Amino acid sequence: GENVGLHLPTLSVQEGDNSIINCAYSNSASDYFIWYKQESGKGPQFIIDIRSNMDKRQGQRVTVLLNKTVKHLSLQIAATQPGDSAVYFCAENALFGNEKLTFGTGTRLTIIP
Amino acid sequence: KAGVTQTPRYLIKTRGQQVTLSCSPISGHRSVSWYQQTPGQGLQFLFEYFSETQRNKGNFPGRFSGRQFSNSRSEMNVSTLELGDSALYLCASNNRDSLNYGYTFGSGTRLTVV
Repeated sequence: GENVGLHLPTLSVQEGDNSIINCAYSNSASDYFIWYKQESGKGPQFIIDIRSNMDKRQGQRVTVLLNKTVKHLSLQIAATQPGDSAVYFCAENALFGNEKLTFGTGTRLTIIP
Repeated sequence: KAGVTQTPRYLIKTRGQQVTLSCSPISGHRSVSWYQQTPGQGLQFLFEYFSETQRNKGNFPGRFSGRQFSNSRSEMNVSTLELGDSALYLCASNNRDSLNYGYTFGSGTRLTVV
């Protein structure tokens, strides 16, 4: 896959369990954050986003938590399924700055059946 | 509605050649960004276009260029290809006028330089 060469953090979770993927961001001016899922041979797929005026946002089976004090972002996936196996990236952006997304290195999540 | 469309999906080129990749954004999206994804460097920002103007540029050499047309479709060009240009090139579109701000990516063009 596209991230084989990177030293990606890996996370293995039993099917049905919850998983938490963490991300530290660097730019204190960033005010918009996105989590993406990337499966082999595909482009990043939008999962959930959060703006800096929020601490938590929930979607279907996913929750994003934002801690601006320590510049930390996490993605919680509830009741994991085999289809959740992928590489997950966090991305940051300054809404009223340029349109550049800065991506983390990614975490490879493997769901064990 | 249709997503972001990138063509071609795969390309094999020889060192020294040039290549042009195409991206059609989601209908109504006026901003198109390009990213390079490699095993060694991950996802890196190349440039962004809005209303036919390049607004932002990443730290890539001048061999990497792009443009956007009046219908928001975008192309990127890489001249004098090097082996290190082998990568997955991703295009993303977004619409700042929408509350659903998230960037949507295409499936990418896999470029192999031999």
